Amino acid sequence: DIQMTQSPSSLSASVGDRVTITCQASQDITNYLNWYQQKPGKAPKLLIYDASNLETGVPSRFSGGGSGTDFTFTISGLQPEDFATYYCQQFDNVPITFGQGTRLELK
Amino acid sequence: QIQLVQSGAEVKKPESSVKVSCKASGGNFNNYVINWVRQAPGQGLEWVGKIIPILAMPTYAQIFQGRVTIYADKPTTTAYMELSNLTSKDTAVYYCARSLSGTYHFDNWGQGALVTVSS
Repeated sequence: DIQMTQSPSSLSASVGDRVTITCQASQDITNYLNWYQQKPGKAPKLLIYDASNLETGVPSRFSGGGSGTDFTFTISGLQPEDFATYYCQQFDNVPITFGQGTRLELK
Repeated sequence: QIQLVQSGAEVKKPESSVKVSCKASGGNFNNYVINWVRQAPGQGLEWVGKIIPILAMPTYAQIFQGRVTIYADKPTTTAYMELSNLTSKDTAVYYCARSLSGTYHFDNWGQGALVTVSS
């Protein structure tokens, strides 16, 4: 199975900050990586697909990049509604696997 | 508007089975892949498997092989996940999530169904 390692596991930030989360795959997954946001008690929501494509309707302050084994997810200008948990997901191989999550908290 | 509506919460005894449904509305069910993802309390996301309804072809995560059955009923546009021989470690919210055929990002999710395994 492909292991996905996210860092940091938690992060404190303020409204307006720029934050970056990284996700490292245990093997080359080209660009087969998605990012999701999850709020407590809710289903995850797709934000970025194929490493860098913004899902329709998602604000442009969210962005993703990377390829191979190393990926980044950035929020430029945090908004109050962005405080949530974020997950990366690889789909290069079955089983599809997720990172352990990054909890973004208000400082 | 695409919607995935799941069945309700369940409480099950150890060693029993559970079946969770996921009814899709809007869009073309024949173009869907329905994935199942679970989340234990306070934990991360774990992929269980998927079904391509038009092909009736399921794929399962190895760790669930032999315990899980995923299938779809095209006339009712409903997908099902059955998990057998339950233990307390199977206590989780089970989500269905759609991807379009040929893509692998889950762009629509059900609301989740909490399955509690307790004696």
